Amino acid sequence: EADIYQTPRYLVIGTGKKITLECSQTMGHDKMYWYQQDPGMELHLIHYSYGVNSTEKGDLSSESTVSRIRTEHFPLTLESARPSHTSQYLCASSELRSGGGYTFGSGTRLTVV
Amino acid sequence: EDKVVQSPLSLVVHEGDTVTLNCSYEVTNFRSLLWYKQEKKAPTFLFMLTSSGIEKKSGRLSSILDKKELFSILNITATQTGDSAVYLCAVPGDSGSARQLTFGSGTQLTVLP
Repeated sequence: EADIYQTPRYLVIGTGKKITLECSQTMGHDKMYWYQQDPGMELHLIHYSYGVNSTEKGDLSSESTVSRIRTEHFPLTLESARPSHTSQYLCASSELRSGGGYTFGSGTRLTVV
Repeated sequence: EDKVVQSPLSLVVHEGDTVTLNCSYEVTNFRSLLWYKQEKKAPTFLFMLTSSGIEKKSGRLSSILDKKELFSILNITATQTGDSAVYLCAVPGDSGSARQLTFGSGTQLTVLP
């Protein structure tokens, strides 16, 4: 079934650890996004990609990095996690020519202790 | 800079009540406006509106767009406790060749039994 998958759903990790949040979609969408959302707050775009080997930073400054080596895969990496990185991270994808209608993953809730 | 403002921020009603959620927007190059429902995890898509005055309907939910006054409303009739969620309004921006969503802060709807 065509969908977008994020792993892990929940992650609790110590300060200073390196982590990678996984995002994969089976819809063949060219565009993929990472959003950060704190409880009760709006979604903030942190990274996006138009396609393979294309990545851009979003509106919200983030210490994370992303890569897009394959169309279906858009992992997000934090080299050294800090408590300020505690948040929910949502991955999304859309078709190149769509005017809207993003598909979201289930999210990863990250807690850095 | 694209801007989306939702009101009210929070709403508490009893089952059976009808609610109206508001979304006003400012966007450089309007293409569409989207409504999402967010419960515990990722937002789920409700409606995409592109034309003024044409109501979109799905069960007890309906939405309409006014491109002259730059706003949209989401109506929910005969509310149920399962309607309790954050309702997000978003507009796609246009940054170069990429399109990303700008979200409002959402309306937290609580439906009491």
